[in-house]
Amino acid sequence: DAGITQSPRHKVTETGTPVTLRCHQTENHRYMYWYRQDPGHGLRLIHYSYGVKDTDKGEVSDGYSVSRSKTEDFLLTLESATSSQTSVYFCAISRFDNYGYTFGSGTRLTVV
Amino acid sequence: GQQVMQIPQYQHVQEGEDFTTYCNSSTTLSNIQWYKQRPGGHPVFLIQLVKSGEVKKQKRLTFQFGEAKKNSSLHITATQTTDVGTYFCAGPDQGAQKLVFGQGTRLTINP
Repeated sequence: DAGITQSPRHKVTETGTPVTLRCHQTENHRYMYWYRQDPGHGLRLIHYSYGVKDTDKGEVSDGYSVSRSKTEDFLLTLESATSSQTSVYFCAISRFDNYGYTFGSGTRLTVV
Repeated sequence: GQQVMQIPQYQHVQEGEDFTTYCNSSTTLSNIQWYKQRPGGHPVFLIQLVKSGEVKKQKRLTFQFGEAKKNSSLHITATQTTDVGTYFCAGPDQGAQKLVFGQGTRLTINP
């Protein structure tokens, strides 16, 4: 969707290396979210942000950290990638609390 | 914690048949949202229901919110191949600024 981009779209990395995924929005929305999607698990929330420098953990936050230093960017970092973090990662934005989310196109991450 | 359950997990139909997916929450919801994800794509917001007993239609899609605001359904009349994908429901997490998603119902269609 227009207004939200994720980078990179695909990445292959080695176990133990740090990885940062970027979510960039041009909508000036307050809320931003990081999800991972795996077969049989639906969408699982990793971390979310409700404002600049305001973040909170989701249901599967272990091994992940986030930062939001400005409204438009929400970074997801895997401090030391593991094979269990191989997944498709989606960023989502929302103007209002718990209103409809707009999702990015996703990042397919493979940890080998 | 709050849970949102969807059934069925998978549904295969012949083109032209109807399809329904059901969503149940462990708690009363202030609203329920529905999303569609095409194969290889990302979830796309379809609709939000807010009122008890609310029914909304989008062409062949009919969305309902239960009277107790704990369940919802999505019904597609006369499916078409363009309806293929996974349908997710989601409801706000009580006290938190995030949605809880159901596991999704994957719809496949035989043309």
